[in-house]
Amino acid sequence: QITLRESGPTLLKRTQTLTLTCNFSGFSIKTGGVSVGWIRQPPGKALEWLALIDWDDDKRYRTSLKNRLTITKDSSKNQVVLSMTNVDPVDTATYYCARFYCSGGTCLYAFDFWGQGTVVTVSS
Amino acid sequence: VLTQSPATLSLSPGESASLSCRASQSIISSYLAWYRQKPGQAPKLLIYNASRRPTDIPDRFSGYGSGTDFTLTISRLEPEDFAVYYCQQYGGSPPFIFGPGTRVDLK
Repeated sequence: QITLRESGPTLLKRTQTLTLTCNFSGFSIKTGGVSVGWIRQPPGKALEWLALIDWDDDKRYRTSLKNRLTITKDSSKNQVVLSMTNVDPVDTATYYCARFYCSGGTCLYAFDFWGQGTVVTVSS
Repeated sequence: VLTQSPATLSLSPGESASLSCRASQSIISSYLAWYRQKPGQAPKLLIYNASRRPTDIPDRFSGYGSGTDFTLTISRLEPEDFAVYYCQQYGGSPPFIFGPGTRVDLK
C-alpha cells in the first residue's frame, strides 16, 4: 500500500522559511523511474506544481519560484523535503506531495498517489 | 496553458457529464491526465495517457482526445462524483500544468 504524508508548520510570518516534509511508504525513491513532487493549492484556487525530485537526484522547479525553492531527498528515511524561502501571504495554500512514476514502457505522466495535504498560512 | 469548460456543470445523479480540456498548443496524448478532487480531499488520478484508467477507477470514467482537445466523460453520476475535476499536461515549461478545473455540482 502506497501512502504519502506531508508535515510542517501551519502558520508562518512573512519572510520566514517554510520547510515541508513528505514521508512516504510502499515505494522507494531509490527505484529507477520514481520521483516525488510538490503541488500546492491556494484556498479556492487551482493546483500549482512546484518541484520534483527524481530517483537519481535530478531536480526540477517551477521557474517563477526557482530562486526560493529547494527540494531534497533522504532515501534511507523515505523522505522528501521542500524548502521555500522568504514566504509571503500569497504562499498561503494546501501543500501536497505526490508520486510520479515513469520507467521503461510504463509512464503515466501523472501523479498517481497523493498525500492528504498540509495547510500552510502565511501572515503579514 | 490549459483551459477547462464549462467552469461549472449542474447535473443530477444518474446523468452523464462531459468535461472539456483544451491546450493552447498540441500535446502528446500520453501526456494528458485527469483528476477528481472532492471537497477537503487531495486530488485522485482518474485518467492518464488521455484514456487509461488506474485499476481502482470504475469504467463510468472515460477519457479521449488528441492534439489540443481532450474530454472526460462520466456516465451515471454517483454522489461522490460531485466534485472538481482538473486536467493536467506533462511536458514543456513548467513540466506539469494543471487546468483551472470544472466543478460538477448538484442540480
